[in-house]
Order: sequence, then structure tokens, then C-alpha cells
Amino acid sequence: GESVGLHLPTLSVQEGDNSIINCAYSNSASDYFIWYKQESGKGPQFIIDIRSNMDKRQGQRVTVLLNKTVKHLSLQIAATQPGDSAVYFCAENWGGYQKVTFGIGTKLQVIP
Amino acid sequence: DTAVSQTPKYLVTQMGNDKSIKCEQNLGHDTMYWYKQDSKKFLKIMFSYNNKELIINETVPNRFSPKSPDKAHLNLHINSLELGDSAVYFCASSQMTGNYGYTFGSGTRLTVV
Repeated sequence: GESVGLHLPTLSVQEGDNSIINCAYSNSASDYFIWYKQESGKGPQFIIDIRSNMDKRQGQRVTVLLNKTVKHLSLQIAATQPGDSAVYFCAENWGGYQKVTFGIGTKLQVIP
Repeated sequence: DTAVSQTPKYLVTQMGNDKSIKCEQNLGHDTMYWYKQDSKKFLKIMFSYNNKELIINETVPNRFSPKSPDKAHLNLHINSLELGDSAVYFCASSQMTGNYGYTFGSGTRLTVV
């Protein structure tokens, strides 16, 4: 599908606060999930991933939570910084050929 | 060294023209992709190649033809360009096994006038 009619959700957060970006994924058979960060004028950049046999995974300042019951994924960013301002995408994978499907994205604006 | 490089970065062309975008990766990955990102930032897969073999071919007009001369290169040729083709096109690569994370190029902004 195309994104006709969809609007890019925006989350505004004060610098230093924690950010939570949510994502509802579509396929209950998905077994691998990834969060990407896309800064203006650049390609998406891998942040963190999680497999379906886990509920939580932590990285540096980021935590991903997976709730398979309701097909929900979240990305938590601790102590949000201006450099975190970007569009964040969740992506899900199923199938043997890595058919990764991206969500619509959330724009994070950090207020200094 | 840039891991996934695309050329050109910007492409402005008239309707009806034919153009190509090139992509190269130096990561030793087996699989390469083309994604299209529209003005609302929606990313949609177009094609995927594994070791020069086409493995994903989404519903894309046949004016779009990918070509992979070797596993480090994946080019995209577009015939008879239309206004609706205006978008940012991203090339990406990944390993087939293990970590599925993609490495993306910086994109090619195509504007059809």
C-alpha cells in the first residue's frame, strides 16, 4: 500500500525526558522486529532489534518492548537529546526471504 | 568508506525520459534491495536480489527494471518516467542469515517534471 491519507505522527519531547514511540505491527507470524532512525536527508539507520522469543531488549539509552498478544512494539529512549530528533520506523519480518515491512514512521521532535 | 553508496544523490528529469540509479555495497552482504519512500515518509519495498537472483518483486510497474551484475551491485532503471515516480529511492543490503538488519544508502531523490 501507499500512504495516501496517512499523516506522519509527531511526538514532541523535552530534552532530558524519556521518549516512548509506539508501533502496531500487522502480522502475527512476524518473528523479527527492528527499529530504524532516519535523520533528515539520510537513509534509515538500524537502532535495535528483537526476536519474537523475547519481550524486552536493551541497548545504549534505548529499550525495545514487544507485546505479541496485542501485536505492539515500543521504543523507549532515555534522556532524549536533540540528536535524537528524527523519524523512527518499526519494521517486521516474516518469510524466508527477509521480506521486511516498514510501519508508517513517527517523527520525534526534541525541544531544547 | 561508505558501506552502501548510491548515485546520483539528486536526479531531476522530464516526463517520458529513461534514467538509472546505481547502488554498490562493500559490506560483503548477500542480499540487496530497492525501497521507495514517498512524501509522507512511507517506505515500500520494490525489489530484492540475493546473489544476483531476483527474490522479491513487489507490485511495481514494469517500467522499473532492476539489474544485479554481481552481489555487490544493484542498479535500477526506470523507463518512461511519470510524475508519480517522484520520490526518494533507497538501496539497502543485508546478510541472508543471522542479523537481518539492513544497511541503507543515503537515497536518491528523483524529481520528475
